[in-house]
Amino acid sequence: NAGVTQTPKFRVLKTGQSMTLLCAQDMNHEYMYWYRQDPGMGLRLIHYSVGEGTTAKGEVPDGYNVSRLKKQNFLLGLESAAPSQTSVYFCASNKGQWRNTEAFFGQGTRLTVV
Amino acid sequence: AQSVTQLGSHVSVSEGALVLLRCNYSSSVPPYLFWYVQYPNQGLQLLLKYTSAATLVKGINGFEAEFKKSETSFHLTKPSAHMSDAAEYFCAVSASGSARQLTFGSGTQLTVLP
Repeated sequence: NAGVTQTPKFRVLKTGQSMTLLCAQDMNHEYMYWYRQDPGMGLRLIHYSVGEGTTAKGEVPDGYNVSRLKKQNFLLGLESAAPSQTSVYFCASNKGQWRNTEAFFGQGTRLTVV
Repeated sequence: AQSVTQLGSHVSVSEGALVLLRCNYSSSVPPYLFWYVQYPNQGLQLLLKYTSAATLVKGINGFEAEFKKSETSFHLTKPSAHMSDAAEYFCAVSASGSARQLTFGSGTQLTVLP
């Protein structure tokens, strides 16, 4: 049982380049999330999805886009990368049945923008 | 809106000593609180969660947390630290909206000294 899988694990981009981060979950979860982790700031929510075909903005959505065409996949796109987007990105999924159901996290993608 | 505050970005304890990591919450509705642990270069793993069934919650690896409404706190403790407990710990609260997204504290890095 793989859980939540993120691809790639590491990436270096030049300023202005674009890329897509892929998140895949095999737990049939309805809810999926993208967070970024920066030192001293915990994890901040970028975008989320409560079901196939739906997406919504989180706390720090600027510069990112997302898509959820299939229930098991949640893609995070950077159209024109900036050094401020250097971070570790985590995808998570949640069954969403109750407020106290736990979220499961991927291993993270470490992105450096130079 | 719900939020959590973690006091102390770095905590050092000796092996065998008590571990106490502090978390205070702010919520206008009954909070659903979580503690996650992040080992180096890994994703987040659930330690325990508060579900209102009991104020003292036991988690994995000997950790427990006590929900104190009067103090708006959900501190994490472990009676005797082990070297393998060295990690970053995050307190989080589940949003009252339908998306179940988590709002994280800024994290506490635990160092265990031999």
